[in-house]
Amino acid sequence: GEDVEQSLFLSVREGDSSVINCTYTDSSSTYLYWYKQEPGAGLQLLTYIFSNMDMKQDQRLTVLLNKKDKHLSLRIADTQTGDSAIYFCAESDYYNTDKLIFGTGTRLQVFP
Amino acid sequence: DAEITQSPRHKITETGRQVTLACHQTWNHNNMFWYRQDLGHGLRLIHYSYGVHDTNKGEVSDGYSVSRSNTEDLPLTLESAASSQTSVYFCASSESAAPYEQYFGPGTRLTVT
Repeated sequence: GEDVEQSLFLSVREGDSSVINCTYTDSSSTYLYWYKQEPGAGLQLLTYIFSNMDMKQDQRLTVLLNKKDKHLSLRIADTQTGDSAIYFCAESDYYNTDKLIFGTGTRLQVFP
Repeated sequence: DAEITQSPRHKITETGRQVTLACHQTWNHNNMFWYRQDLGHGLRLIHYSYGVHDTNKGEVSDGYSVSRSNTEDLPLTLESAASSQTSVYFCASSESAAPYEQYFGPGTRLTVT
């Protein structure tokens, strides 16, 4: 079945870059997403990438997509304490594009 | 501003009781979703709806039901609450158009004792 996998934790020093990785199984996914969840809140879309793209940059965020390896990454430059949160990657379901399949989430902790 | 709300935010109930969690969105979105979030499992889809009177089962639908009588609301009912249903529940909505961004409510923390 479909499965989206992420490592559970990442700890980085303030000012360093963070790289959060994700592997997915459905090579036919149309869109891939990164969502952020702050403590006690719902998820918010950070960015997304269309499957025919390799890279997307949005201010401090860079998304890299390797379709051959089914690997998605999110790089956060100059990580700040406000970036501490859980980050979820998600893929669109091939048969029902409106449906998203979420990974397990990576908890990013930023220390001074 | 458009929003999506959930109520209650916290609920404690006993095993065997029926519980209904409310979800209300003012985005006028056709698509609505219910997820549960548990440590180590991420978000798992319970039920979803693509419009009024449409409902579909997700990957963990056993013990849950939904109904969609209007565009704005998708209540989630636990027919007979079990301790395994202790979780945080999120409702989301989206347009039926790319890139299908889902907007999430703040969540309901449910404890079944």
